[in-house]
Amino acid sequence: GAVVSQHPSRVICKSGTSVKIECRSLDFQATTMFWYRQFPKKSLMLMATSNEGSKATYEQGVEKDKFLINHASLTLSTLTVTSAHPEDSSFYICSASKSSYEQYFGPGTRLTVT
Amino acid sequence: SQKIEQNSEALNIQEGKTATLTCNYTNYSPAYLQWYRQDPGRGPVFLLLIRENEKEKRKERLKVTFDTTLKQSLFHITASQPADSATYLCALDYGGSQGNLIFGKGTKLSVKP
Repeated sequence: GAVVSQHPSRVICKSGTSVKIECRSLDFQATTMFWYRQFPKKSLMLMATSNEGSKATYEQGVEKDKFLINHASLTLSTLTVTSAHPEDSSFYICSASKSSYEQYFGPGTRLTVT
Repeated sequence: SQKIEQNSEALNIQEGKTATLTCNYTNYSPAYLQWYRQDPGRGPVFLLLIRENEKEKRKERLKVTFDTTLKQSLFHITASQPADSATYLCALDYGGSQGNLIFGKGTKLSVKP
């Protein structure tokens, strides 16, 4: 068990448009979901932490109005990149946690903004 | 703030040998430390978790040590195989209640046949 899916796996969008990425825990209820961003040859950087039904907690330097997170249920969280720009192109990965320890990661979403 | 260093960006070894990867951290000792495997274009996969009061943990061909005095964890893969080739990430907890993690940059392991 502990499978996490992400959709879409790849997306190309034009500058100025918005993109929504979905993260689902398929076989468990996640108390917490996390969103990360990873640039080439760099470590995963935590963007925000979200709990179902409450506002997300954003890391320093991450604009909450640009990266909208909705955690509608214990199995679904969405990240919307609003007014995307080329510098937002990155690999976005979500993870879900059943407890305070292990995190189960999704396969990631490659976003390219042209 | 907490920093993590995985001091080898890349490690090349011969099949059958033991691969040893290093993770060092500064500042406070985490309650636990984790190791993940990441393949290109994929999300990380959890491998092992070791708590601050544990010195060593094993899982099949994997072994992790945790030395809070040296502020270091070592990750060993014995009898390495080409299929073990991947990037290995170490991660520490922030110390908060939600299990937030800070990740190292990873070490890319290549096992040659």
